[in-house]
Amino acid sequence: DIQMTQSPSSLSASVGDRVTITCRASQGIRNDLGWYQQKPGTAPKRLIAAASSLQSGVPSRFSGSGSGTEFTLTISSLQPEDFATYYCLQHNNYPFTFGQGTRLEIK
Amino acid sequence: EVQLVESGGGLVQPRGSLRLSCAASGFTFSDYRMTWVRQAPGKGLEWVAIISEDGSQKTYVDSVKGRFTISRDNAENSLFLQMNTLRVDDTAVYYCARGAAIADWGQGTLLTVSS
Repeated sequence: DIQMTQSPSSLSASVGDRVTITCRASQGIRNDLGWYQQKPGTAPKRLIAAASSLQSGVPSRFSGSGSGTEFTLTISSLQPEDFATYYCLQHNNYPFTFGQGTRLEIK
Repeated sequence: EVQLVESGGGLVQPRGSLRLSCAASGFTFSDYRMTWVRQAPGKGLEWVAIISEDGSQKTYVDSVKGRFTISRDNAENSLFLQMNTLRVDDTAVYYCARGAAIADWGQGTLLTVSS
């Protein structure tokens, strides 16, 4: 199985900060990776598809990059509504696997 | 608008069975692989199973193999998850999701396995 190592597991930041979350795959997955945001009590929402394609309706402060084994999600200027938990998902090789999540908290 | 509505969750005793359903609308259901994902209370997301567009191919995470069966009815735009020999650690919110790359999610249905 492909392991997705996501870091950090938690992060404290302030409104306006730039933050980066990383997912590393245990083997190459091309660009078969998505990023999701989840707020408490709600279903996840996809932000980024195919490692770097911004989902329609998602603010442009979110961006994704990477290919192969290393991927990043960047939020260029944190807004209050961005405080949530973020997950990556590899859909290259079965069983598909999620990263363990990054909880983004207000400093 | 894509809609995925799960149902069938509830309280089940260990070693019991339950069938979850997901009603899909707003897209051509038979054109998409469909996925189940679960989330134990306070934990992260776990990919559970996927089914091909025509239902002929199914893949599962190891922890549910031999106990869970994913199926679909394309005529009724419905996805199912038959869960047998349930364990306490199957307790989770179960989400129905569209596609292999998971573009859309349902709101989830809670399964609690407890005596």
